[in-house]
Amino acid sequence: ETGVTQTPRHLVMGMTNKKSLKCEQHLGHNAMYWYKQSAKKPLELMFVYSLEERVENNSVPSRFSPECPNSSHLFLHLHTLQPEDSALYLCASSQGEGFLGNEQFFGPGTRLTVL
Amino acid sequence: AQKVTQAQTEISVVEKEDVTLDCVYETRDTTYYLFWYKQPPSGELVFLIRRNSFDEQNEISGRYSWNFQKSTSSFNFTITASQVVDSAVYFCALSAFSSGSARQLTFGSGTQLTVLP
Repeated sequence: ETGVTQTPRHLVMGMTNKKSLKCEQHLGHNAMYWYKQSAKKPLELMFVYSLEERVENNSVPSRFSPECPNSSHLFLHLHTLQPEDSALYLCASSQGEGFLGNEQFFGPGTRLTVL
Repeated sequence: AQKVTQAQTEISVVEKEDVTLDCVYETRDTTYYLFWYKQPPSGELVFLIRRNSFDEQNEISGRYSWNFQKSTSSFNFTITASQVVDSAVYFCALSAFSSGSARQLTFGSGTQLTVLP
């Protein structure tokens, strides 16, 4: 596979469930990102990982927990979510240690619905 | 604080027409980067261009061109002779570096472009 892949593509979960989103990049990049895209709202940067360490955390609620075990994989662990967390969650990667001036390559996203 | 405004929520044009997507940004930083991304119906954002704050030269890439004007804090995107495949949501974004503060990347709310056959 090439580029940035995300699984699952669609996820429906209840507020008491625990689930995880997975992102994998095959581009040899060293920075990875999670974004949230809600209807009618600008894209929101949630987390930035550079060389497997979190370097940005933009006031995201603790019910979202990221994990970056290596430079190719990024997870977003979800627990006790709220209906307003329903959104498209996008993963991206870039070369340059989390430098936000670099071009980012995006995955297709996971469409999350919280019931 | 920084901000990106894309005032045009939706634009519809007929194929072969030219169309300009507006982007106005706000930042107090002197060093920053501006981007345009395209989001087709499939969902993933596709990088189109990056411009740094010290390079005001306009750029042309095929049917795409970008007009960066620091005096008006604008970074507009023009598609010449539009095609149906250009239909997508287009996002303008700003990455700025404030000394002593966290790095920020801010996206505009996007412009939905529909090109009709």
